[in-house]
Amino acid sequence: DTAVSQTPKYLVTQMGNDKSIKCEQNLGHDTMYWYKQDSKKFLKIMFSYNNKELIINETVPNRFSPKSPDKAHLNLHINSLELGDSAVYFCASSQEVRDEQFFGPGTRLTVL
Amino acid sequence: GDSVTQMEGPVTLSEEAFLTINCTYTATGYPSLFWYVQYPGEGLQLLLKATKADDKGSNKGFEATYRKETTSFHLEKGSVQVSDSAVYFCALSAANSGNTPLVFGKGTRLSVIA
Repeated sequence: DTAVSQTPKYLVTQMGNDKSIKCEQNLGHDTMYWYKQDSKKFLKIMFSYNNKELIINETVPNRFSPKSPDKAHLNLHINSLELGDSAVYFCASSQEVRDEQFFGPGTRLTVL
Repeated sequence: GDSVTQMEGPVTLSEEAFLTINCTYTATGYPSLFWYVQYPGEGLQLLLKATKADDKGSNKGFEATYRKETTSFHLEKGSVQVSDSAVYFCALSAANSGNTPLVFGKGTRLSVIA
């Protein structure tokens, strides 16, 4: 069974569109994260939720909105997509904020 | 704030060569330290970790020792294989982190050629 799963794996869309990425973890963890990885492999944390509560909200455009319907799911909705949003987005989870994190396989977003 | 500095890549080695990827950190107290590996097209996986000074983490032939005196956690492997080609990330978890998650280095790309 996959511990942290994301859908879709690939997402190709036009500028200005709205899209969502879904994440689910079956590890029973309390904390989930979204990261953005650029073409140079630099990882930037975007958001973190602990027990459905937003605890980390880095400097991210407000076009990005996370939603956590329950502690096993953390979705990412992106409005008005821009070329610079093209990247790989990773979901991760951990039991506590300072614990080791388990990563999903990533969603490669390409904005044309 | 807390930070992790890794040697810049890419690192290119021949098969069976010795590998060292340097990692140093800045943090207060005694953080936990991690190495993650990202194979092409995949997410990050925990490779090894150490939670206190002088601990040695090891996995799949890789080792790293938590050195408090030099604030380092260098990754080593005695004989690399082509299958070790990946991006390696050093990370720390601050001792009194509150809501601060892991701090990742910028990653070091390793290419092993046959």
